Amino acid sequence: QQQVKQSPQSLIVQKGGISIINCAYENTAFDYFPWYQQFPGKGPALLIAIRPDVSEKKEGRFTISFNKSAKQFSLHIMDSQPGDSATYFCAATSTGTASKLTFGTGTRLQVTL
Amino acid sequence: DAGITQSPRHKVTETGTPVTLRCHQTENHRYMYWYRQDPGHGLRLIHYSYGVKDTDKGEVSDGYSVSRSKTEDFLLTLESATSSQTSVYFCAISESKGMQFFGPGTRLTVL
Repeated sequence: QQQVKQSPQSLIVQKGGISIINCAYENTAFDYFPWYQQFPGKGPALLIAIRPDVSEKKEGRFTISFNKSAKQFSLHIMDSQPGDSATYFCAATSTGTASKLTFGTGTRLQVTL
Repeated sequence: DAGITQSPRHKVTETGTPVTLRCHQTENHRYMYWYRQDPGHGLRLIHYSYGVKDTDKGEVSDGYSVSRSKTEDFLLTLESATSSQTSVYFCAISESKGMQFFGPGTRLTVL
C-alpha cells in the first residue's frame, strides 16, 4: 500500500532553473512531512520538513509548499545547481507511531550545466 | 553520518545461508530502524525498535528478524537468505519525531 505518492520519477533541470517535486498522501493522520536528499552511495539525509499548520517553509534555496485540503506537498529548489543532483524522497509520519516514516518512491534529479 | 555505523558495508552470500547485519550508534537515540532500498520502491521499513528489547514489524518484515540487546546495537538477521533479499539496507536512528539519521548502508547480494 503506497501511502505517499511521489512524482516525477526523474527530473532534468538546467542550472539556474527551478526543480519541482510533488507528493500526495492518503493518511489524514500524518502530521509531519520531511524531505530527504540522497547522494549516490550515501544514506538519505534530512533536508527540510514542514508541519500541516503552515502552508510554506523556506530554507535557503529549498521551499516546501503544503496544501492540507488537497493532501499534497511539494519541494521547490530555486536556482538549481549541479551539486543538487541527487535523489529526493518525500516522507510522512504521525504522532504516536514511534517516529516511523512512510517514504515516497523517490525522484532522481539531474541538474545540467 | 551522525554517529551511525553499519557492518558489513558489502556482503555477497548464497541462497539459504543466514546473514546478520549490524547497526551501531553512539548517539544514545531511543528509536532505531532497518530499511531496504530498491529501485522503484524507495525506502521500505523492515523492523524498528523503540527501546532495548522492544521491537516491532514494518511493512516488509517477512523473512527478517531483529534484536536489540543494548541501546547502541540493532541487528537484522536474514534466517535463510533469498535472491529477493538482494538490496541495500539502511539503518536509521531517531530521538525526535520524523527526524531520522541514516547510516551509510550495507549492500547485500544473494546469489
